[in-house]
Amino acid sequence: QVHLQESGPGLVKPSQALSLTCTVSGDSISSRGNYWSWIRQRPGKGLECIGYIFYGGTTSYNPSLRSRVTMSVDTSKNQFSLKLTSVTAADTALYYCARASALRPTGNYAFDIWGQGTMVTVSS
Amino acid sequence: QSVLTQPPSASGTPGQGVIISCSGSSANIGSNTVNWYQQSPGAAPKLLIYSNDHRPSGVPGRFSASKSGTSASLAINGLRSEDEADYYCAAWDDSLNGPQFGGGTKLTVL
Repeated sequence: QVHLQESGPGLVKPSQALSLTCTVSGDSISSRGNYWSWIRQRPGKGLECIGYIFYGGTTSYNPSLRSRVTMSVDTSKNQFSLKLTSVTAADTALYYCARASALRPTGNYAFDIWGQGTMVTVSS
Repeated sequence: QSVLTQPPSASGTPGQGVIISCSGSSANIGSNTVNWYQQSPGAAPKLLIYSNDHRPSGVPGRFSASKSGTSASLAINGLRSEDEADYYCAAWDDSLNGPQFGGGTKLTVL
């Protein structure tokens, strides 16, 4: 069974960087065809895809966050990470990592596995 | 502001049916498939429907969905109390080059 687990500080000071890691078990992060995403949910709000990364390191970021986001993969630890710089209170959210797979029979992608989420608060 | 528009709320009584709509554009729903996610209170989202109308293993047949043009809809028949949750549509957006979520619809089972 595939399991994703987010980890990282729950409190970050304004203007600093937020760093989170997602540990994948039950699947290889190097699996071709999957991509790995960070999705956040501000309090009382909907879901926002921050970006995604393929095992080879190819990334794509939400245009609204692109200037502040970096994602990376560590295949030796079967992990992928998020770094969001210059955070403000608007970045306070529940951060999820998720796997997107090409599902049969159509081969179209969907977020089929989600972590439980980790709450990050930006406050001094 | 999401590029996919959903009604903020919907409701129904046990046993009834309800339909949740999702409206987009040619850049997203019009040219890509739609997925639906269910988020129960305090839980992570769960994939409910993928590729417009396919149910993952384990999702009851009471849940169905369809797509037409630049709109999609999720239908829930035989409402049960455990269906009370937030429902999100999602689709790839060619202009934004990434997956986009609707704003979500809070379903209340009265």
